[in-house]
Amino acid sequence: GAGVSQSPSNKVTEKGKDVELRCDPISGHTALYWYRQRLGQGLEFLIYFQGNSAPDKSGLPSDRFSAERTGGSVSTLTIQRTQQEDSAVYLCASSSTGESSYNEQFFGPGTRLTVL
Amino acid sequence: RKEVEQDPGPFNVPEGATVAFNCTYSNSASQSFFWYRQDCRKEPKLLMSVYSSGNEDGRFTAQLNRASQYISLLIRDSKLSDSATYLCVVNPLGSGGYNKLIFGAGTRLAVHP
Repeated sequence: GAGVSQSPSNKVTEKGKDVELRCDPISGHTALYWYRQRLGQGLEFLIYFQGNSAPDKSGLPSDRFSAERTGGSVSTLTIQRTQQEDSAVYLCASSSTGESSYNEQFFGPGTRLTVL
Repeated sequence: RKEVEQDPGPFNVPEGATVAFNCTYSNSASQSFFWYRQDCRKEPKLLMSVYSSGNEDGRFTAQLNRASQYISLLIRDSKLSDSATYLCVVNPLGSGGYNKLIFGAGTRLAVHP
């Protein structure tokens, strides 16, 4: 079956512009996660959705970052007024439920964001 | 102190070698533990879960030491295809919490002929 998909795969933008990153989770997965991975570093948790609500958005680095999820499916991560330090790969993952600590998270291929 | 710490490597080993990676975590209440594998410029994929009693999957063996808050991954008979970054992953909230994963920065393995 189809895995997690993300678009665009690459995004180059100028400092100060807004960007929207999209994630399509595996069909039927109620939990969705966004992570950021800077070059040569580990994954940083950004936000968790269970259905359309976000019980944990503690990882969003600033108020320039926001995310939403509609219909319990597609999610968009929006970064306003992008800065060079936002350059990273943004990874989305989904799992069948977020309410068990053992459910595997499946990752999408990521969006590589470069802010010039 | 980082929540999950790993030796970044790289570990450069010949084919057929046995190599071990270690990881420590800071939250003693953590309940679930995993090793993920990440190939260059690819997304992470689950390699194996780590159970208290230790577990094996083919050439891979994972161990957990709760008292020392230490996780290990042993790879026997290394193959060229094992070259990747191995991420130590911890769910710090355990049961009753949600499925939140904290990732180490990864240990890079390069297997050469």
